[in-house]
Amino acid sequence: GAVVSQHPSRVICKSGTSVKIECRSLDFQATTMFWYRQFPKKSLMLMATSNEGSKATYEQGVEKDKFLINHASLTLSTLTVTSAHPEDSSFYICSADLGAEAFFGQGTRLTVV
Amino acid sequence: GEDVEQSLFLSVREGDSSVINCTYTDSSSTYLYWYKQEPGAGLQLLTYIFSNMDMKQDQRLTVLLNKKDKHLSLRIADTQTGDSAIYFCAETSNYGGSQGNLIFGKGTKLSVKP
Repeated sequence: GAVVSQHPSRVICKSGTSVKIECRSLDFQATTMFWYRQFPKKSLMLMATSNEGSKATYEQGVEKDKFLINHASLTLSTLTVTSAHPEDSSFYICSADLGAEAFFGQGTRLTVV
Repeated sequence: GEDVEQSLFLSVREGDSSVINCTYTDSSSTYLYWYKQEPGAGLQLLTYIFSNMDMKQDQRLTVLLNKKDKHLSLRIADTQTGDSAIYFCAETSNYGGSQGNLIFGKGTKLSVKP
């Protein structure tokens, strides 16, 4: 079946640095990928819809200058958390659609110290 | 390792009840979730249940949790064509360094026929 690979699975970074998370569709092309963030004890929140070759569509309340999304090819979308702060520590997960099905990456646990 | 399984397809007639089933492996999961994804859209949280509950009802949705069997179900009463979507079951992982991470099932595609 289709596979979405997300990397890294875990990252610890210092406050003020930037972190890039990659989401790859390994055996299919994805014109659209979604980025989610999970808050502690809460649900998954859609952050943005990543569109290949065009700007991402951000959900209300998500800072686009802080969470940079690039979808430069049909198999890769990246999320860069810029100038990370401890409150950015969270679980980030991407998904990609293939037809009517959605496939999820393994997720990235970001810890900002 | 953690695993969440659910059947891939379910077809019902409009007005009938739909029951989507899910099994999971992490007995220490704190929360279990049901998400809905409509075509071309991102996930929407439908409902969730805390692991110490057996049942939760929210309008047309009823969630049943059997912790002993690690079985979760979502019942949609009076299913409408607008309920056609993919439904994902998810658990929170409490294994090692993955604590709190969400583990998703592959999704159940619900088709509602008029």
